[in-house]
Amino acid sequence: QSALTQPASVSGSPGQSITFSCSGTRSDVGIYNLVSWYQQHPGRAPKLIIYEVNKRPSGISDRFSGSKSGNTASLTISGLQTDDEADYYCASYAGSHAIGVFGGGTRLIVL
Amino acid sequence: EVQLVQSGAEVKKPGESLKISCKGSGYRFTNFWIVWVRQMPGKGLECMGIIHPDDSDTRYTPPFEGQVRISADTSINTAYLHLNNLKASDTATYFCARALDSSGYHLPNWGQGTPVTVFS
Repeated sequence: QSALTQPASVSGSPGQSITFSCSGTRSDVGIYNLVSWYQQHPGRAPKLIIYEVNKRPSGISDRFSGSKSGNTASLTISGLQTDDEADYYCASYAGSHAIGVFGGGTRLIVL
Repeated sequence: EVQLVQSGAEVKKPGESLKISCKGSGYRFTNFWIVWVRQMPGKGLECMGIIHPDDSDTRYTPPFEGQVRISADTSINTAYLHLNNLKASDTATYFCARALDSSGYHLPNWGQGTPVTVFS
């Protein structure tokens, strides 16, 4: 099972919208609408913010949205806030024999 | 409320063994998989393996096959991660998470993490 590819870091200013990419293959992101996104603040556990490409768990702000095109999934944060500064990880279903296929994570810096 | 509560931070010497616990509450423990995830200092999330407590069906990702052991005790709603012959490279924070299926990609609930430091 191969890891998904994410940029190491992105930056934005408060109020802006920012989009993270998560590149996979035809064996994972490209074939299944089963992509999750996690937010992790320093020293904290990851938190699920998007599942099944574009669904939000209860209590997650609608400023977070997900999408997918081909082999690439995306997470968009609108109305950027300083508290959004964190690491963001994508994960994808990759078939019945693959477990826990994660991206390497993207650090969001809010300037 | 679903909760996963992990055992506390550990400091170990090389060669020692360690068992980290993860106690689930607020849901039927035997109905859901538990995933173990490693995060080395300053690095990303690595899935180590997954267990279904009901029948102890356990699967490991290739980097961790034969390196760690995962178990569960349904009488106390607790999953365990066993690490043997610890090395400095085992220094990391270990998380457990509840998984909705065996793929381990959809993890709605996480433990607080157990930091492990291995040094002589």
